[in-house]
Amino acid sequence: DIQMTQSPSSLTASIGDRVTITCRASQTINTFLNWYLQKPGKAPELLIYSASSLQNGVPSRFSGSGSGTDFTLTISSLQPEDFATYYCQQYYSTSVLTFGQGTKLEIK
Amino acid sequence: QLQLQESGPRLVKPSETLSLTCSVSGGSISNTNYYWGWIRQSPGKGLEWIGSIYYSGSTSYSPSLKSRVTISVDTSKNQFSLKLSSVTAADTAVYYCARHKGGYYFGSGSTRLYGLDVWGQGTTVTVSS
Repeated sequence: DIQMTQSPSSLTASIGDRVTITCRASQTINTFLNWYLQKPGKAPELLIYSASSLQNGVPSRFSGSGSGTDFTLTISSLQPEDFATYYCQQYYSTSVLTFGQGTKLEIK
Repeated sequence: QLQLQESGPRLVKPSETLSLTCSVSGGSISNTNYYWGWIRQSPGKGLEWIGSIYYSGSTSYSPSLKSRVTISVDTSKNQFSLKLSSVTAADTAVYYCARHKGGYYFGSGSTRLYGLDVWGQGTTVTVSS
C-alpha cells in the first residue's frame, strides 16, 4: 500500500502569511495527488487535483506543485477562512485511495 | 446543483451491520462520467476511504475493510448504499458519501478514481450496546 505522510502535523500562522504544507508518498505516484481542506464539523472540500490544478471556485491564493514522491500545497496569503485541516490524497493506486494524516493550520 | 445526503441509523450494536444510504439530487447517478464513494472519519482522526462504485455496479474497496464492506447502487432511486458488517467500537465515525469527479477504467476490475469533488454533510454513526 502507498503511504502518505504530511508535514508538519500542525502549523501556526498569521493572516497574510505565506504557508507551505508538504506531502510525501512512500513510492512514486506521478502527479496523481489531490489536496482537500476540512473545516471543523464540515465535509472536506477539494482544493487541488492532479497535484497542481485548481478546482473550480477555489481562490487563486492556493497552489500545488510536485511530482513523483514529494508535493507541496502553498497558500500565498492566509485569510481567516483558511484556518482548517488540510489533507493530501493519492490516487495512483488503481482501485485504492489513501489520505495523509492531515495538517492542522491554526491562527497565531 | 448536485447534492448528496446520507441517511441511516445513528446507533448500531456491536457485531451488527451498519447500513447507510446516500441520496443524490440535482443530477443522475447514472452519469457515465462519475464514480461514487464512501469515506469515514473516526473521532479526532483523519479521513479513511471505504470504497466506491460506478453506476453499473462495479466496485472498489479498501483492502483493510474489504471483507466486511458491500457497496451497492440503485439507479431507479438515484441512491447508493453502504453495508459494513460485524461492526465494533472502532467503526464509530462520521460517514461521508461523495462523488468522484471522474475515473479511468483499466479493465479487469482496476479503476483509477479521481478526486472527490462533491460531498454529503456526513452522518455520525456510533457503535455501542
